[in-house]
Amino acid sequence: GDSVTQMEGPVTLSEEAFLTINCTYTATGYPSLFWYVQYPGEGLQLLLKATKADDKGSNKGFEATYRKETTSFHLEKGSVQVSDSAVYFCALSGPPPTGGSYIPTFGRGTSLIVHP
Amino acid sequence: DGGITQSPKYLFRKEGQNVTLSCEQNLNHDAMYWYRQDPGQGLRLIYYSQIVNDFQKGDIAEGYSVSREKKESFPLTVTSAQKNPTAFYLCASSIIASSTDTQYFGPGTRLTVL
Repeated sequence: GDSVTQMEGPVTLSEEAFLTINCTYTATGYPSLFWYVQYPGEGLQLLLKATKADDKGSNKGFEATYRKETTSFHLEKGSVQVSDSAVYFCALSGPPPTGGSYIPTFGRGTSLIVHP
Repeated sequence: DGGITQSPKYLFRKEGQNVTLSCEQNLNHDAMYWYRQDPGQGLRLIYYSQIVNDFQKGDIAEGYSVSREKKESFPLTVTSAQKNPTAFYLCASSIIASSTDTQYFGPGTRLTVL
């Protein structure tokens, strides 16, 4: 079945450092790929998404490119802020089995801690 | 403003009791979902519904039940049969269950069994 693998955290950075959170996936067909962010004590919210190969999703300075050849969707930001401290989830939604439904598959999440 | 509301934010239950978690959305979405979140385990799907009066089991449905009598409401009951119910529960919705659809999440309910 489909799966998503994220780098384990926590990732600890100083403010203004460069961020990369790795995400690779296994899926049949051509899934859509997502990054969601969860701030402490809250639900998840969409950060960015890409629906086909070579698409780049971007939002709030974060970027991720859908790489079909490496089955990856790594999240990057050039200069992180303390307010970016959160848990980041990579997810995919792909063609279901015959008669099934499109249900997203989530990675385990990567905690990011940014120090002043 | 459109969105998803969950109540209560914190819930305490004694062993052997059933409890019901509320989830309401005013986004006019057809699909709704319930997830359980445990530390370090990501999100696990409990139940989902694509249309009123219809729902399907997810990966960890045992010990849980749901209903979908109205489009905007998808309550989750945690029964006494659920052996380890202490967790953070998230409700979500999407326009329809398609590959490109974004899921919109509520703020969550933290359930603690005493």
